[in-house]
Amino acid sequence: DVKVTQSSRYLVKRTGEKVFLECVQDMDHENMFWYRQDPGLGLRLIYFSYDVKMKEKGDIPEGYSVSREKKERFSLILESASTNQTSMYLCASSSGLHYTGELFFGEGSRLTVL
Amino acid sequence: SQQGEEDPQALSIQEGENATMNCSYKTSINNLQWYRQNSGRGLVHLILIRSNEREKHSGRLRVTLDTSKKSSSLLITASRAADTASYFCATVYSGTYKYIFGTGTRLKVLA
Repeated sequence: DVKVTQSSRYLVKRTGEKVFLECVQDMDHENMFWYRQDPGLGLRLIYFSYDVKMKEKGDIPEGYSVSREKKERFSLILESASTNQTSMYLCASSSGLHYTGELFFGEGSRLTVL
Repeated sequence: SQQGEEDPQALSIQEGENATMNCSYKTSINNLQWYRQNSGRGLVHLILIRSNEREKHSGRLRVTLDTSKKSSSLLITASRAADTASYFCATVYSGTYKYIFGTGTRLKVLA
């Protein structure tokens, strides 16, 4: 079974702190995604990566950066956390370039910024 | 908005009844997928229907796609309390890698 593991289920941070959210997948997938989920807004794509060191902005990249140094790991970085970044963050992966099939999700990381 | 729209936003039914939820989208798609999310957890893929398909079944799930109306429906037959969850449609638009998720339908199945 494909497993996508997000390092932290719950985090509480202070405004201005740097926050790292880690995601690891064990199925050699090329594509990895970071979404944020907010009530009434559904899932919104923050960043997407289709290969090591490659990244593309999604719909809401402002205030976020990403890192993909190894194929299995995709990190989301909040350089200076703000209260409007309080949200559920979901990592997902899929196989193959231009693949448009099933996404495999992690369990989510619920971030609260005080 | 690029998002798909699910309808209804919330649905409450008795165990054993069927649950139907709908999804509308905006432009030509490559495929449409349905996902399930238990409270506070990640999403789990349920079923994918391609743009050239009209109906697909998987166990108690039946998905239809009407590309002329730009809509899809998910039917869960003989629902169980364990089906209580939020259900999301995701559309993958032709020529893109982007999955556009709707805002979801919250289903509650009462035992």
